[in-house]
Amino acid sequence: EDKVVQSPLSLVVHEGDTVTLNCSYEVTNFRSLLWYKQEKKAPTFLFMLTSSGIEKKSGRLSSILDKKELSSILNITATQTGDSAIYLCAVRTQGGSEKLVFGKGTKLTVNP
Amino acid sequence: NAGVMQNPRHLVRRRGQEARLRCSPMKGHSHVYWYRQLPEEGLKFMVYLQKENIIDESGMPKERFSAEFPKEGPSILRIQQVVRGDSAAYFCASSEYGTGLGQPQHFGDGTRLSIL
Repeated sequence: EDKVVQSPLSLVVHEGDTVTLNCSYEVTNFRSLLWYKQEKKAPTFLFMLTSSGIEKKSGRLSSILDKKELSSILNITATQTGDSAIYLCAVRTQGGSEKLVFGKGTKLTVNP
Repeated sequence: NAGVMQNPRHLVRRRGQEARLRCSPMKGHSHVYWYRQLPEEGLKFMVYLQKENIIDESGMPKERFSAEFPKEGPSILRIQQVVRGDSAAYFCASSEYGTGLGQPQHFGDGTRLSIL
């Protein structure tokens, strides 16, 4: 069965800290890995990674995929209270379906 | 805002009633996905549809649950004879293209279903 595991499950930091969120996966026929940010409503898309070793960056957020280690990290530098959310990692596999397999998420709390 | 629209936002039903959840995809998107999120759990895939076709329903419970995406109108997730265990947040996502073109899925705000 395809599996995605995120760590830590929760994290509390102070504004200005840098955080690293982890995602590891065990799936057949990996195609891509996606990161989403979920506040109280819809998960919002952050990054999609398909190639190993290529960093994707958006402002203070960046992410990279390691296909050898079957993992990805999401980095957030100079955290702000607005970064408080649940960060979801999902993997898409090849084949006829487009379904995403999600981890349970990392709940990040940034305190002022 | 032309995002994925779900309604209602909150739905309360008594055991044995029917629940109907609606999802209008983003403009130009013809692929719709439904996910369920239980407390303390990740999002779990339920069903993937294109217009008038169910492509993958491997995550749907075999009984009481059905989904459709008609030629006109929103996608509907229907739960018959609801039970307490159906209480969850149901999210819909859409994408412009499907297999092979690597499009991300964009999510709606979800419907929170509560069963009394």
